[in-house]
Amino acid sequence: GQNIDQPTEMTATEGAIVQINCTYQTSGFNGLFWYQQHAGEAPTFLSYNVLDGLEEKGRFSSFLSRSKGYSYLLLKELQMKDSASYLCGGSGSARQLTFGSGTQLTVLP
Amino acid sequence: DAGITQSPRHKVTETGTPVTLRCHQTENHRYMYWYRQDPGHGLRLIHYSYGVKDTDKGEVSDGYSVSRSKTEDFLLTLESATSSQTSVYFCAISEGGSLYEQYFGPGTRLTVT
Repeated sequence: GQNIDQPTEMTATEGAIVQINCTYQTSGFNGLFWYQQHAGEAPTFLSYNVLDGLEEKGRFSSFLSRSKGYSYLLLKELQMKDSASYLCGGSGSARQLTFGSGTQLTVLP
Repeated sequence: DAGITQSPRHKVTETGTPVTLRCHQTENHRYMYWYRQDPGHGLRLIHYSYGVKDTDKGEVSDGYSVSRSKTEDFLLTLESATSSQTSVYFCAISEGGSLYEQYFGPGTRLTVT
């Protein structure tokens, strides 16, 4: 399978900006996505990038560099409700998504 | 709300027993997926379906089988449950043109003792 690496845990302060990085093998992925998962709940889709560059969606933005096998999710104006696990992943030629293990973000007051 | 339900939501079973989990959708989506989620491993695809009676294996399909006899139902069967299959199981659906944007059901927590 594809190797996807993201930090296990991050902590940030309410109102701040946080960047969650994700790296992956450069071969095989056609695009990269991000999901949010609150504790005890199902994952919910946030964004995906198939082209290099930054995609902005409200307080959340996602960046992709295919040549570097690198993506990040940028969360602005952090709120307490943003405390969750953030999963990055990608899809290759088959109709299958490969997820990373997730980054647990804790937002402190 | 993508109209996805899973049943049961919680189950405790003994090693060696068969277990069937059900995923039901109300919006006629073509693609349905079964994942398991374990600490340290993230979400891993077990099987998926791209239509009635059309299924394919995912990354961790050993020990699992699936069936889809109706568009709305996708069943996951553990023929003989093992302790390593203790996990949270999520069903998901997607629109035909959007592989990345999947909608997940609430999950089933399965414990095999």
